[in-house]
Amino acid sequence: GQQLNQSPQSMFIQEGEDVSMNCTSSSIFNTWLWYKQDPGEGPVLLIALYKAGELTSNGRLTAQFGITRKDSFLNISASIPSDVGIYFCAAPGTSYGKLTFGQGTILTVHP
Amino acid sequence: DVKVTQSSRYLVKRTGEKVFLECVQDMDHENMFWYRQDPGLGLRLIYFSYDVKMKEKGDIPEGYSVSREKKERFSLILESASTNQTSMYLCASSLRQDHQPQHFGDGTRLSIL
Repeated sequence: GQQLNQSPQSMFIQEGEDVSMNCTSSSIFNTWLWYKQDPGEGPVLLIALYKAGELTSNGRLTAQFGITRKDSFLNISASIPSDVGIYFCAAPGTSYGKLTFGQGTILTVHP
Repeated sequence: DVKVTQSSRYLVKRTGEKVFLECVQDMDHENMFWYRQDPGLGLRLIYFSYDVKMKEKGDIPEGYSVSREKKERFSLILESASTNQTSMYLCASSLRQDHQPQHFGDGTRLSIL
């Protein structure tokens, strides 16, 4: 079935550093989604990408839809302690309405 | 804003009990989903529903059932709870149109003793 390979699995960074994570697949997608899950909460949608090559920003977050349509990237600039959490990429699954999720990147930010 | 509400944030039940987890969404979404989340395993889909009274198995349906009697409500049922069903359970909903993002509730952390 479809799989999304998300990396890195975890990151430990200092406050103020920039962060990059990515998601790759052997399948082509028309949509890429990025979610963040705060500790003890449900995932919240950060950014949705619908077009190959698209670059979208949401505050300090920037996400890109890869030109091959097989990958996507999320960057966080000037990290702060509240950026801590798990970041998931997601793309439409094989059945209508379903999503396939990456395994998540666990981000820890040291003050 | 979409609001997906799960009835309990924390729940403790005993082995063999029948357990009901309730989820309500207020945005008239056709699709609703139940996931469980375990460390190192990511989000795994248990069941989903694309319409009232319709349901489809996800990747790990064994030991679970669901009910969708009304469009806004999707219930997950553990027929006879077991300790390996201790987990974080997440409900989500989405519009039926292509490539719509799912919107999640805050989760129910279920412990089976």
